[in-house]
Amino acid sequence: QQQVKQSPQSLIVQKGGISIINCAYENTAFDYFPWYQQFPGKGPALLIAIRPDVSEKKEGRFTISFNKSAKQFSLHIMDSQPGDSATYFCAASKGGGGADGLTFGKGTHLIIQP
Amino acid sequence: DTEVTQTPKHLVMGMTNKKSLKCEQHMGHRAMYWYKQKAKKPPELMFVYSYEKLSINESVPSRFSPECPNSSLLNLHLHALQPEDSALYLCASSQAGSGGGRFFGPGTRLTVL
Repeated sequence: QQQVKQSPQSLIVQKGGISIINCAYENTAFDYFPWYQQFPGKGPALLIAIRPDVSEKKEGRFTISFNKSAKQFSLHIMDSQPGDSATYFCAASKGGGGADGLTFGKGTHLIIQP
Repeated sequence: DTEVTQTPKHLVMGMTNKKSLKCEQHMGHRAMYWYKQKAKKPPELMFVYSYEKLSINESVPSRFSPECPNSSLLNLHLHALQPEDSALYLCASSQAGSGGGRFFGPGTRLTVL
């Protein structure tokens, strides 16, 4: 049973556009929702994370929107750049993101066209 | 120091070999993890160490043997692997308890012949 569903599987956006990736979760015990960015041959890098007590968090061009009632969260990349081309994973965990496993979405392959 | 380091970067081994992967962090994190990642897939959790004690083993075959010598180091001992074990092996660390996110290392690309 996949507990975090991520969409779309792949996404092509023009340079300067907004990239939007969506995730939905089932387990209401989840209380920590990070996004990871992974370039080919590299480890995932923590991009931004949110806890359910806020509805939005912004860091530079990256914004997480969180809808607790719908059990959905999304990543918005504003002014998308070719350097943002990577695979993005949403994830969720319970216990505050501590010593417990993360449940990952299946990933979104993002291509920003110049 | 906000980095997780892993050695070696690449490893090719035969099915009868014994090898070890190493991971190190100096962020004071007390939780450390091993993940396995196949191409175009998300990382899969293998093991979790919390305060140097194994807390989660996700039913990983015994040919993979983790070890946590101290709070900064994590090893993964490999023996009698199969070709299907070829993957990117990622180490990560985080604060234990109500902490922040996982910090991943660059991974070891393992090829089993």
